[in-house]
Amino acid sequence: GENVEQHPSTLSVQEGDSAVIKCTYSDSASNYFPWYKQELGKRPQLIIDIRSNVGEKKDQRIAVTLNKTAKHFSLHITETQPEDSAVYFCARGTSYDKVIFGPGTSLSVIP
Amino acid sequence: DTGVSQDPRHKITKRGQNVTFRCDPISEHNRLYWYRQTLGQGPEFLTYFQNEAQLEKSRLLSDRFSAERPKGSFSTLEIQRTEQGDSAMYLCASSFPLWDRGSLRNTGELFFGEGSRLTVL
Repeated sequence: GENVEQHPSTLSVQEGDSAVIKCTYSDSASNYFPWYKQELGKRPQLIIDIRSNVGEKKDQRIAVTLNKTAKHFSLHITETQPEDSAVYFCARGTSYDKVIFGPGTSLSVIP
Repeated sequence: DTGVSQDPRHKITKRGQNVTFRCDPISEHNRLYWYRQTLGQGPEFLTYFQNEAQLEKSRLLSDRFSAERPKGSFSTLEIQRTEQGDSAMYLCASSFPLWDRGSLRNTGELFFGEGSRLTVL
């Protein structure tokens, strides 16, 4: 199928701890895996993405890993801060097709 | 502001009425998406366009929903005979397609509008 599964649906961490969100997909043609952050009442915004030709990508405190064989990818946020509190969506797509989103993970960072 | 704009931002209607939403994408983007989002859920794909061509419409989408992008610029999403279950945020997004390497700015990123919130009474 074309859907994306995402876990956990909610996540609470203490400020300074790490947060990990995992997603799985089944369409083996997928080659593009973006992550979007949506703050309350705002539009989703891209925070990081990864293409299928790499296994890991890092941008400051955020990293994404991809295991194409197992068809799963993960978002890692280190040294979490209160402003990281938001809903995070993983998504998948292909070079020629639409982008499909996961159901989201609500992250709360407790000061 | 050169971002994606949507109109109206809020719409309250009675069951059975028709509603139409408009999306103006970023001008150089040739791909345009419509998604629907309900509370606590991810954006649900509805349909998307490459220029004026509608490439796909979700199989889950009722025939009451129709979208157009007549000149490859703005798009409209119409819902006929609205039902209470249609109440949601309707999000529009635009992008370059991933295979279009003509623009150095192309990252595949979807740029979302602020959405049109529909409430069906």
